[in-house]
Amino acid sequence: DGGITQSPKYLFRKEGQNVTLSCEQNLNHDAMYWYRQDPGQGLRLIYYSQIVNDFQKGDIAEGYSVSREKKESFPLTVTSAQKNPTAFYLCACRGGKGNQPQHFGDGTRLSIL
Amino acid sequence: KNQVEQSPQSLIILEGKNCTLQCNYTVSPFSNLRWYKQDTGRGPVSLTIMTFSENTKSNGRYTATLDADTKQSSLHITASQLSDSASYICVVRAKGAGNMLTFGGGTRLMVKP
Repeated sequence: DGGITQSPKYLFRKEGQNVTLSCEQNLNHDAMYWYRQDPGQGLRLIYYSQIVNDFQKGDIAEGYSVSREKKESFPLTVTSAQKNPTAFYLCACRGGKGNQPQHFGDGTRLSIL
Repeated sequence: KNQVEQSPQSLIILEGKNCTLQCNYTVSPFSNLRWYKQDTGRGPVSLTIMTFSENTKSNGRYTATLDADTKQSSLHITASQLSDSASYICVVRAKGAGNMLTFGGGTRLMVKP
């Protein structure tokens, strides 16, 4: 089945530690996105990539980093510089043009130990 | 600033009853509006999309409306089922500027037996 997979489902971070969230898709979509979801708030864009080897900052990129070395993969690193990392992180991808929807993974919940 | 406001924030209804969720937006220039359903601990899934020229669109028991003049949309759920318990997110896409999305904070619906 084609889809987008995030791992792990739950992740815990210690103080001063960097952690990496995985996002893999086999839909052959060019564009990929990372969002942060906090209770009662709309999704906020962290980083996005329209094509391999290229990515752009979103609205809340500080404390995060990404890479896009392969079309299928768009990992997100939450660095120690992100002082409030506890949230639900969603990865999405989108293909084609026009009114195609973004397809979301099932998220990673990150908590601080 | 582009904004999407949803109401109510949360709603409890009895199984079999109907309900209507509201979405007001200030996104300009408008491209389209999409409703997503997000089950707890999962990623959002697209329910329906509304473009500028569309007033009403149905997807099974879900009916979305759009008034582009007043910049309002609604999602009506008919004959609710327990499986309708979820968050419903209104998302508006602007024309140009990388086709970025503005997300509402969602309405959390609980359907009780």
